[in-house]
Amino acid sequence: GNSVTQMEGPVTLSEEAFLTINCTYTATGYPSLFWYVQYPGEGLQLLLKATKADDKGSNKGFEATYRKETTSFHLEKGSVQVSDSAVYFCALSAEGSYIPTFGRGTSLIVHP
Amino acid sequence: ETGVTQTPRHLVMGMTNKKSLKCEQHLGHNAMYWYKQSAKKPLELMFVYSLEERVENNSVPSRFSPECPNSSHLFLHLHTLQPEDSALYLCASSQDGGLANEKLFFGSGTQLSVL
Repeated sequence: GNSVTQMEGPVTLSEEAFLTINCTYTATGYPSLFWYVQYPGEGLQLLLKATKADDKGSNKGFEATYRKETTSFHLEKGSVQVSDSAVYFCALSAEGSYIPTFGRGTSLIVHP
Repeated sequence: ETGVTQTPRHLVMGMTNKKSLKCEQHLGHNAMYWYKQSAKKPLELMFVYSLEERVENNSVPSRFSPECPNSSHLFLHLHTLQPEDSALYLCASSQDGGLANEKLFFGSGTQLSVL
């Protein structure tokens, strides 16, 4: 079946540090890939997505590239801010099963 | 504000109580979802409704009973819950519920504690 594996958290960084949160997936066919973010006390909201191999999704300084050869969709940001502190979820939506499969989430804590 | 509103935000109930969670979406979407979020676990899909018909029931115990009276409202009726059911229950909606690259819109969730 489909699955998403994310790196364990929490990830703790100082402001302006470089961020990488790893995500790998298992799916049949060509899934669509997503990153969702959950700020404290809120529900998840879509951060970015990519729908085919080599696509790069980007939003609010975050980027992720759909790598089919490594089945990965790592999230990166060049310079994090305190306001980026949240839980980040990698997800996929595969052909024939349109309902997204989510990873466990990775908590990011950014210190001033 | 995502356009998906959940009430109540917090709920404490005993194992013999009956309560209901409510979700309302103001986006004109046709599909609605219930997810369960527990600490250190993947988000668990519970139920999916598309055009008010249940299209997914992910082996959820019968003590959870969903209801979708129209495309804007979704309920989760709870009875004789167990302490391990304590979690954040998230409602979501999407435009059609049938496309692989559809975006989900989530509510803020109901934090449920079962004593």
